[in-house]
Amino acid sequence: KQEVTQIPAALSVPEGENLVLNCSFTDSAIYNLQWFRQDPGKGLTSLLLIQSSQREQTSGRLNASLDKSSGRSTLYIAASQPGDSATYLCARAGTASKLTFGTGTRLQVTL
Amino acid sequence: DTGVSQDPRHKITKRGQNVTFRCDPISEHNRLYWYRQTLGQGPEFLTYFQNEAQLEKSRLLSDRFSAERPKGSFSTLEIQRTEQGDSAMYLCASSPGGEGYEQYFGPGTRLTVT
Repeated sequence: KQEVTQIPAALSVPEGENLVLNCSFTDSAIYNLQWFRQDPGKGLTSLLLIQSSQREQTSGRLNASLDKSSGRSTLYIAASQPGDSATYLCARAGTASKLTFGTGTRLQVTL
Repeated sequence: DTGVSQDPRHKITKRGQNVTFRCDPISEHNRLYWYRQTLGQGPEFLTYFQNEAQLEKSRLLSDRFSAERPKGSFSTLEIQRTEQGDSAMYLCASSPGGEGYEQYFGPGTRLTVT
């Protein structure tokens, strides 16, 4: 069974801190790895997509890396802000680009 | 607005009733996916379409569930004889088609079965 695991399940940090969210997957045969943000009761907002041939992607204060051989991806958030508080989900795209999601990391950035 | 839209956003129904959800993908996106998300979990794949053809259904999609995408545009997901276990957020996503393309998600339909 293809599985995606996210650690930690929850994280609370003071504003301004840099932080790393971890994602691991069991099947390295992937097309891409996507990171999403989800606010409570809302849909998913795509943050970054890393193709299987790439090692990392950057957007503003966000940087995502991908290591297919070890089945790991990380999302780095620099200078965290209270507005970053949300659940962050990673998802691997397998056959037919179907996404398999982790259970998410719930982030709280405090003032 | 060129994003993915879903209707309704919220649906409360009594057990045993039928419900239907609609998803309008981004224009000209060939692929359309349905996912289900229960509280505290990540979304799980239900089914997907390439144009009007339904190419795969998850084992999560029991025979009470049916999805259509007539003419390869909008899609509907119907649940017959709803059960309390069907309570979840139903998410729709679309992509340009082929492999490795980004999926764009709609706001979801939250179903509550009482």
